[in-house]
Amino acid sequence: DQQVKQNSPSLSVQEGRISILNCDYTNSMFDYFLWYKKYPAEGPTFLISISSIKDKNEDGRFTVFLNKSAKHLSLHIVPSQPGDSAVYFCAASGRTALIFGKGTTLSVSS
Amino acid sequence: DVKVTQSSRYLVKRTGEKVFLECVQDMDHENMFWYRQDPGLGLRLIYFSYDVKMKEKGDIPEGYSVSREKKERFSLILESASTNQTSMYLCASSLNRGHYGYTFGSGTRLTVV
Repeated sequence: DQQVKQNSPSLSVQEGRISILNCDYTNSMFDYFLWYKKYPAEGPTFLISISSIKDKNEDGRFTVFLNKSAKHLSLHIVPSQPGDSAVYFCAASGRTALIFGKGTTLSVSS
Repeated sequence: DVKVTQSSRYLVKRTGEKVFLECVQDMDHENMFWYRQDPGLGLRLIYFSYDVKMKEKGDIPEGYSVSREKKERFSLILESASTNQTSMYLCASSLNRGHYGYTFGSGTRLTVV
C-alpha cells in the first residue's frame, strides 16, 4: 500500500506563474518530509524539506506547506521558470529509509 | 560537497548474467541505499546499509543482493539478471541514522536483453 502519494503524474505551467505540486501520506508517524528534483539521466537532488512540527518552510522561490491534520503537503514554486521543468518526488522519513512518491513531471513553458 | 559515484552510466547485460553495480561515496557517510526508478512507480528501495558488513532488505529485495566490505563502497548484485530488472538504479548515501539529506549518484541505466 502506498504510504506517499503524488496523484498528479504531470503538471504544465506557464513561465512566471505559480506551480503547485501536491503530496499525500498515510502514516501519521512520519516526522520529516522532503522534496527532490530529478532531471533525465541524473540522480535526484534535494530541494527543500520540512519537519512535522512546522507548517511552512521557505527557500527562495520554493515553499513547502504541511497540513498534518489532512496528511497533505504541497510544494509551491513562484515564479516558475523553464529550468524548473523536471520530475519532482515527495519523500517521507520512514522507519528505516526515505519513502518516495511516484513523482510529478513539471513542464514550464516560456 | 558529498560525491556519490556510480561506476557505469549505461549497461547492457544478457538474461541470466550476474551483474555488479558499484557505488562509492567520498564523505565518510554511514548510510548507503540502493533504489530503482521505473516510470509510474517512483523510487523503490531495494537494500540499504547502516554500517560496514551490515545490510537490510528494502521493499523489493527479490533477485538482488548487496555487499558492503568498506564504508565508502556499496555494491548491488543481480544474481541472475532478468528482463524485469531493466531499470534506472540509483545509489544514495546519508550521514547517519535520522539524517535524511540523501545524496544520490547519477544513476545506472541497466538494460537486460
